[in-house]
Amino acid sequence: EIVLTQSPGTLSLSPGERATLSCRASQSVSSSYLAWYQQKPGQAPRLLIYGASSRATGIPDRFSGSGSGTDFTLTISRLEPEDFAVYYCQQYGSSPNTFGGGTKVEIK
Amino acid sequence: EVQLVESGGGLVQPGRSLRLSCAASGFTFDDYAMHWVRQAPGKGLEWVSGISWNSGSIGYADSVKGRFTISRDNAKNSLYLQMNSLRAEDTALYYCAKGYGDYAAPADYWGQGTLVTVSS
Repeated sequence: EIVLTQSPGTLSLSPGERATLSCRASQSVSSSYLAWYQQKPGQAPRLLIYGASSRATGIPDRFSGSGSGTDFTLTISRLEPEDFAVYYCQQYGSSPNTFGGGTKVEIK
Repeated sequence: EVQLVESGGGLVQPGRSLRLSCAASGFTFDDYAMHWVRQAPGKGLEWVSGISWNSGSIGYADSVKGRFTISRDNAKNSLYLQMNSLRAEDTALYYCAKGYGDYAAPADYWGQGTLVTVSS
C-alpha cells in the first residue's frame, strides 16, 4: 500500500500568514489522485482539493494544491481564523486508499 | 441537500459482530461510489472500505480484509458494513462518505459518524 507522510506535524502560524503543508508518498500516486481534507474538532472532514490541484465546490481560492508523483503541497495563501484545523492528504488512485497522518495548523 | 446518516454502532465484546448502516438521501445514490472511513479517538483518518456504484469494484484496508464486508442496496439508498471478529483496535468513529464520482474518487460528503467501541 502507498504510505503518505505529512509534514510538519504541527504548524504554528498567525492569521494572515501563509501556510505550506507537505504530503510525500512512498510511491508515485497514479494520475495525481491526491486529495486534501480539512477537519475541525467534533466535525466530519471536508474535501478541499482533489486531483492534486482542483478545488472542490465552495472552497475559497486561498486554498491551492500542487504537486505530482510523490510530492504534493497544500498552500493556504492567507490564513483566516476559520482555517485553524487539522489537514489530511489522501491518495485514491491505488487500492487500498490511504490517508496521511495529518498536519495541525494552530494559532501562534 | 445530501444527507448521510450512519447507525448501528455501540459497545461490543471482542470477537463479536456488528453491522453498520448508512441511509443516503439528496442525491442519486446509484450513480456514486461509497466509502467507510474510521477515526480512532484522538487519532487520524483511516480508509476502511469502498464500493463502486454497481458493487463491481470493492476494496478494503489491509487491517480489516477478511473480517469486514461492505455492501450496498441501491433500491434502498443504503450502504452497509458487516464487521466480524471485532478487535479492540477497531474502536473508532465510523463515517459513511459519498464518492465524488466513480470508484477512484475522493469523498465529497460525509455523515456525522457512528461510534463503535470494542471492549469486554
